[in-house]
Amino acid sequence: EVQVLESGGGLIQPGGSLRLSCAASGFTFSNYAMCWVRQAPGKGLEWVSTISRSGDDTYYADSVKGRFTVSRDNSKNMLYLQMSSLWADDTAVYYCARGYSHYGPYWYFDLWGRGTLVTVSS
Amino acid sequence: DIQLTQSPSSLSASLGDRVTITCQASQDINNYLNWYQQKPGKAPKLLIYDASNLERGVPSRFSGSGFGTDFTFTISSLQPEDIATYYCQHYDNLPLTFGGGTKVEIK
Repeated sequence: EVQVLESGGGLIQPGGSLRLSCAASGFTFSNYAMCWVRQAPGKGLEWVSTISRSGDDTYYADSVKGRFTVSRDNSKNMLYLQMSSLWADDTAVYYCARGYSHYGPYWYFDLWGRGTLVTVSS
Repeated sequence: DIQLTQSPSSLSASLGDRVTITCQASQDINNYLNWYQQKPGKAPKLLIYDASNLERGVPSRFSGSGFGTDFTFTISSLQPEDIATYYCQHYDNLPLTFGGGTKVEIK
């Protein structure tokens, strides 16, 4: 089955750090860019970060640039999001999503995980 | 950043009704516009990519159109399982952004 599954969410104090993981299966992981998209409680969707197929190129939303680091291990079919200096506005469900584009300049999200909840609170 | 303005923010329609949602971009995004469905408590699901292409496995009652700055998403005959929030998303440049969402309910 083609799927991605996130883990690593939880309750973290403001200023703390957390690492999210995403396990991919059922497709050739190294053929796809991979992305993180988040959704604050009761709010809309926000793109967070994308990493290229090789991992050589990374892209971030301004809201997380300098605090979050995306990485991948193609030998293990794993995607990661290292988050630091977390604050309340980072509270959200974080989705791992496969990035794809037929011919466009960037990506849309054709496969999503169930998400993992990150709550930043004291 | 490109702003995507979706309207309406919510709607109520009867089963079998034709439902239309619009998404207006703050600048020309070619046809780099996608539509997602998110049911309560679930992850989003891609329905339409590149403005008008139906994702594999998605029922044909869903359709999309548009180019440039103005886009439309249509459900030709509303079904009970279509109750969800629908989002548009562009990928013309970074940052990738989403519309604010349209919540579809049954009247």
